[in-house]
Parts: sequence; structure tokens; C-alpha cells
Amino acid sequence: QVQLVESGGGVVQPGRSLRLSCAASGFSFSGYSMHWVRQAPGKGLEWVALISYDGNKKYYADSVKGRFTISRDDSQHTLYLQMNSLRTEDTAVYYCAKGYSYSDDWGQGTLVTVSS
Amino acid sequence: EIVMTQSPATLSVSPGDRATLSCRASQSVSSNLGWYQQKPGQAPRLLIYGASTRATGIPARFSGSGSGTEFTLTISSLQSEDFAVYYCQHYHNWPRTFGQGTKLEIK
Repeated sequence: QVQLVESGGGVVQPGRSLRLSCAASGFSFSGYSMHWVRQAPGKGLEWVALISYDGNKKYYADSVKGRFTISRDDSQHTLYLQMNSLRTEDTAVYYCAKGYSYSDDWGQGTLVTVSS
Repeated sequence: EIVMTQSPATLSVSPGDRATLSCRASQSVSSNLGWYQQKPGQAPRLLIYGASTRATGIPARFSGSGSGTEFTLTISSLQSEDFAVYYCQHYHNWPRTFGQGTKLEIK
């Protein structure tokens, strides 16, 4: 069955960087586009970024454009989110999700807390 | 950016009753709309895609309708496990955006 396991979250100071990972299994990872979606504590869902199945197309929410970079390593079946210049408003649970349009599989999320 | 607006913010319904949740897009998204259910401490779960197609394993009591800018999620006979937060999301263009959610609570 499909498994998506996020890691790399933690507490980080404003202005610093963090890299999230999402390890995928149970499906042909290289054939699927992948998303990052986040959820601030007690708030709704916010789409963050998508990378196409071949890595050639990347899209970002305006709120993270220029600061976050999505990437993938198909040989490791892993999705990444490099987060630079972190702000307190980036505090959230970050989910990876499979699919280009809708997402039928999601990980359980990793919590990122940006605080001094 | 397409703004997705859900109503109501909170819906109180008795078990066994019907629930109707609404989602409006600020411009047409055709049928490029999904509905997700999220329970506390859990990841979202896809219920509906293409505005009206149930995802794999989703019970028939969940149905979606609409196109363009107006969409509805109907739960025909509420079960205890259906009380959760529901989100709509368009995938018509970039960026993808979610509605703010409707909390379905027990009356």
C-alpha cells in the first residue's frame, strides 16, 4: 500500500533554514507529481508547492515563492522541501501528498515551529 | 488567485440527518474540484474529485455536485464517524487553493 512518511521538522529560529523529506513507498514514485501542503496550528489547509513527475515543472504559493524549493530524488523515492529565510508564519504541520490534480494519498505530516 | 469560500463555517447536524456543505469559487474552475475530510490529528482524506466522483473506498452516502463556481457536498445520512472538518480545493490552475473549511459537528 502507499506510504508517505515526512521527516525533518523541528524548532528553528526565524531567518534560518530547514529541509523536509518525504519518503515514498508502495507506488511508482517516479511516475507521480507530488505536493507539499501545510496547516498552521488550529487553521485550515494551505497548498505550498508541487513538482511534476519528471521534475521539470515546479509551482509555488506566493507566500513561499523565492524562499522554498521543492525537489525530488527518484532513485531514493524521496521528495524534499528546502525552506530558507523561515518566518514565524511558516509554523505549521507540513504534509506531502501524491498526485498532480487531487491528492488521494497523504503522509501524516511533520511539525515545523519557527520561533526565537 | 482563485478564492474558495465555504459555507457555513460550522454546521450542527444530528446523526442520521442529511448535511449539505457549500463551496464557491471566485471564478470558474469547471469541474476541477475536490473535497477532503479531516479529523483531529489526522491527515486529510480525499472524498470526491472531479466535483462528483467518489474516491476509492468512499461510502455512497457522500456525494458531490456542481460545476463552474458553485459546488455542494452532501452526506445523506450522517454517521458518527462523519463529524469532522471538510475542505474543498480547486485544481483548475496555479496556485491550488483550499476553502477555509466547514466543521461538521454533532447537534
